[in-house]
Amino acid sequence: DVKVTQSSRYLVKRTGEKVFLECVQDMDHENMFWYRQDPGLGLRLIYFSYDVKMKEKGDIPEGYSVSREKKERFSLILESASTNQTSMYLCASRSFSHTYFGPGTRLTVT
Amino acid sequence: GNSVTQMEGPVTLSEEAFLTINCTYTATGYPSLFWYVQYPGEGLQLLLKATKADDKGSNKGFEATYRKETTSFHLEKGSVQVSDSAVYFCALSEGRIQGAQKLVFGQGTRLTINP
Repeated sequence: DVKVTQSSRYLVKRTGEKVFLECVQDMDHENMFWYRQDPGLGLRLIYFSYDVKMKEKGDIPEGYSVSREKKERFSLILESASTNQTSMYLCASRSFSHTYFGPGTRLTVT
Repeated sequence: GNSVTQMEGPVTLSEEAFLTINCTYTATGYPSLFWYVQYPGEGLQLLLKATKADDKGSNKGFEATYRKETTSFHLEKGSVQVSDSAVYFCALSEGRIQGAQKLVFGQGTRLTINP
């Protein structure tokens, strides 16, 4: 079974902190994604990556950056966390025909 | 750009009731369509999908038919169970290269089934 794991299920950070959310997949997929989930808005794409060191902006990249140094790992970085970044963050990994999601990280910024 | 619109929730039903969750889309070309389900405390799981017009996806008693003429992909189940309580997301894939396609999601519909 494909596994997508995220480093934390719950995270509480203070405004202005630099935050790292880590995602690892074990199926050698080239494509990985970071989504943000908010009630009433569904999932919105933040960034995605087609390969190591490749990244592209999604629909809401402002305030975020990403890093993909190894194929299995895709990190989302909040350079200076703000309260409006309190949300559920979902990582996903895609094979040729199917997208697999991690369990999510619920981030609270106070 | 491409978009997906789902019926507003939350939806509350009694066990064994008939379920419909409406989903319509706007897209260029002919995207694949999906329903994902998120159970409490978990990530998203693929429930069913359809890749071309008139295809019917089905799984766990749920069904949805890809209707190109009405740009719809409504989710139905004949008799719901308490264990179906979850958030349901309709989605489409966009992008020319299949392996690199992105998913565009609707806003989600929270379903609660009472015993």
